Amino acid sequence: DAGITQSPRHKVTETGTPVTLRCHQTENHRYMYWYRQDPGHGLRLIHYSYGVKDTDKGEVSDGYSVSRSKTEDFLLTLESATSSQTSVYFCAISGTGTGNTIYFGEGSWLTVV
Amino acid sequence: DAKTTQPNSMESNEEEPVHLPCNHSTISGTDYIHWYRQLPSQGPEYVIHGLTSNVNNRMASLAIAEDRKSSTLILHRATLRDAAVYYCILRVNYGGSQGNLIFGKGTKLSVKP
Repeated sequence: DAGITQSPRHKVTETGTPVTLRCHQTENHRYMYWYRQDPGHGLRLIHYSYGVKDTDKGEVSDGYSVSRSKTEDFLLTLESATSSQTSVYFCAISGTGTGNTIYFGEGSWLTVV
Repeated sequence: DAKTTQPNSMESNEEEPVHLPCNHSTISGTDYIHWYRQLPSQGPEYVIHGLTSNVNNRMASLAIAEDRKSSTLILHRATLRDAAVYYCILRVNYGGSQGNLIFGKGTKLSVKP
């Protein structure tokens, strides 16, 4: 199994508070991704990173920011959590090239009340 | 975005082969065909991927049509543990994301004992 660790795995937070989810990899892969999964929508890309300090937006990036100061860590921050951000968040990693496999973490369940 | 079309659901009997179809008529020459599956409350799991030729691994086989506009994931002997949602995805090389995976709704496979 690919070495991907997400933390926290479960979190309940209040509306308006900032939340940070962490993705840690031990594979030294260049690419890292954050997805969210909601019923009826499948997985949707929030942000991705193609190297240290190199990040870009995905299709549902509003309300989220990311940072990557080390190859192994990719942080997702909800600047001011809203109930619409209640979701399951998945981190993924990949080597360079579309022929490479993308590996997913186990997910972080976030509830905003 | 590169799109795929899959049946919403399929049923199989345990220990029988399962053929999961996928249509991807807009595929381009450099797009890889990836299959993932997702069990309840888990992250997507890589199954297999290919470009032009049929592929086999310990989990499954991937049969790709000669014109590459369709493919079939073959589980040779379905087990109860294979019950999951199966996603057929085109990994497209564009932009800086090196081919973000765009998930559709997938096929929910049920396996009967």
